[in-house]
Order: sequence, then structure tokens, then C-alpha cells
Amino acid sequence: QQQVKQSPQSLIVQKGGISIINCAYENTAFDYFPWYQQFPGKGPALLIAIRPDVSEKKEGRFTISFNKSAKQFSLHIMDSQPGDSATYFCAAHISNTGKLIFGQGTTLQVKP
Amino acid sequence: DTGVSQDPRHKITKRGQNVTFRCDPISEHNRLYWYRQTLGQGPEFLTYFQNEAQLEKSRLLSDRFSAERPKGSFSTLEIQRTEQGDSAMYLCASSLNRNGYTFGSGTRLTVV
Repeated sequence: QQQVKQSPQSLIVQKGGISIINCAYENTAFDYFPWYQQFPGKGPALLIAIRPDVSEKKEGRFTISFNKSAKQFSLHIMDSQPGDSATYFCAAHISNTGKLIFGQGTTLQVKP
Repeated sequence: DTGVSQDPRHKITKRGQNVTFRCDPISEHNRLYWYRQTLGQGPEFLTYFQNEAQLEKSRLLSDRFSAERPKGSFSTLEIQRTEQGDSAMYLCASSLNRNGYTFGSGTRLTVV
């Protein structure tokens, strides 16, 4: 019940295209949903985050769409660039704990 | 203060040896977290501190693992009698209160 399921495992997109990564959860105690970007040899870096009382949040080329009733959320990367090639993790924070539960990750490759 | 600092970046040790990792969080952050990440997986929660108090420990943190944050500033993670299964990236993160984790670049442990 504390899992966050992420798909796809890998994604190849042409430069300028839209990258879409999906996550699903079961635990209604999750109260904060961040996305992280990780490059090889580096720690995850916070990209964008959303709370469940908001259906969409946009920051530059990155948008989170959140569907509370379906318990799903997704990351959209518009105008994908080769520099976006990285591993992306969705995560969910459990209310009143310090714990983030991460998805399994999506490796994105943006072809020039 | 430019971020979360972890030392060492890489550690190779022989099975059965003890190892200790250090994490220096962002100075004004009161929360500090340890995660473990194996290849191709998302980070898994190990433990977290609020100031000097260790508030939660994962079942992943066996009795061979111990973490401390003696003065509410830096933290150490010690693994005793290392096993090959301990080989992973150990990530430290800090935050001011519950959200907005900042991760360090991690310590990659290889047990041979």
C-alpha cells in the first residue's frame, strides 16, 4: 500500500517532443508528490512538486498533472531537449512522517 | 553553504569491515535523511533525524547499521561487518521541516 508505481521504465523521445511519465499510488495518506531528476553519479534533484489539492502545476517546460480520484499523477516535459536525458523519479510523502516513497524510475533519452 | 555534502564519494571495502559515512546538511535545515539506492532502483528510506533526535528507522536498517546526528548538525552512518549486499549508493538529504528535500551526491559503497 505504500508503493508508488512508475511507468514506463524507459522512454526515448525526439528533440522537441513531449515526454510523459506516469505514477500511481494507493495510500491516501500521501500529502506531497515531488518529481526528481537524477544524472549518473549524482543525487536526485528536486524538479517540481505538487500537493493533492491542486490538479496541475507548471514550472517552465515541466508540468505535473494530478488526478486525486484516480490516485495518479504524471510529469510532462514539453519541448524535450538532449540535456533532459536523465532518470526521473516520482515520489510521495507520507503525512506526519519524514519518509519519501520513490517510484522505480524512468530513464529518459532525448535524441537530437 | 552550497548544498548537502557527503564524504567519501566512493568507498571500497572488504567484506566484514566496518565503514562510516559522513553527511553535512544545509546549515539551516533541521531534518536529515539517509536513503539507499541500488542500481536501477529508486532511493529507499533508511532513517531520518529532526535536529539530533532519530525519529524513524526503516526495517532495512538492520542492527549492523547505526546512524547518529550528535549535535543536530552533521550525521554519520556506520555499517558494521559489511556484506556484499550492502553495496549501494548511500544518499543523504536535508530539509527545513517536512518538504523540499535536497540530496547530496551520495557515497558509493562497494563491498568486495
